[in-house]
Amino acid sequence: EDQVTQSPEALRLQEGESSSLNCSYTVSGLRGLFWYRQDPGKGPEFLFTLYSAGEEKEKERLKATLTKKESFLHITAPKPEDSATYLCGQTGGGADGLTFGKGTHLIIQP
Amino acid sequence: GAVVSQHPSWVICKSGTSVKIECRSLDFQATTMFWYRQFPKQSLMLMATSNEGSKATYEQGVEKDKFLINHASLTLSTLTVTSAHPEDSSFYICSARDRGGAPYEQYFGPGTRLTVT
Repeated sequence: EDQVTQSPEALRLQEGESSSLNCSYTVSGLRGLFWYRQDPGKGPEFLFTLYSAGEEKEKERLKATLTKKESFLHITAPKPEDSATYLCGQTGGGADGLTFGKGTHLIIQP
Repeated sequence: GAVVSQHPSWVICKSGTSVKIECRSLDFQATTMFWYRQFPKQSLMLMATSNEGSKATYEQGVEKDKFLINHASLTLSTLTVTSAHPEDSSFYICSARDRGGAPYEQYFGPGTRLTVT
């Protein structure tokens, strides 16, 4: 069964304290690995798509990387407005929709 | 770009009634749309995939007669929850794939909060 496992479940950082979120995936024939940000009571906001191992993408304070088994979302010098739940999802193995992990709830304290 | 809207944003209905939720891609054409459900403090679970002009494909465990999906145009998909019961109360979120966009990328709507009393 295709699975996505995210860690940690929750992370509390001080403003400016860099860290990384982990996403492990098990689908065979990965078509894409996706990162979204979700604020409470809202739909997920698209961040990145990664297609192959070794690929990296950056946007402001966020950088996503991909290996054959996992992806990392690195957050550099975070600000309180970066507080949100970050979701990792995969598509592949013949499926069209996304299989999501449970997310990492990130809190950035000023 | 890549904006998806949903209507209504929240709805309260009585047990046994039906509710329709609309999902629209505002600035792109979506040949494929998806419907997800999210329970409190849980992640999104795919319910069904719909392609324009075709019958929807439902995930295992999702009752197709209860959750009716119609994808009549390249910008509109609807989800009708029939004979709703309190256990159907959830956050329903649609997503759409841009026909001219990057492979497999999906853009999500803001979600619809359904409460069945």
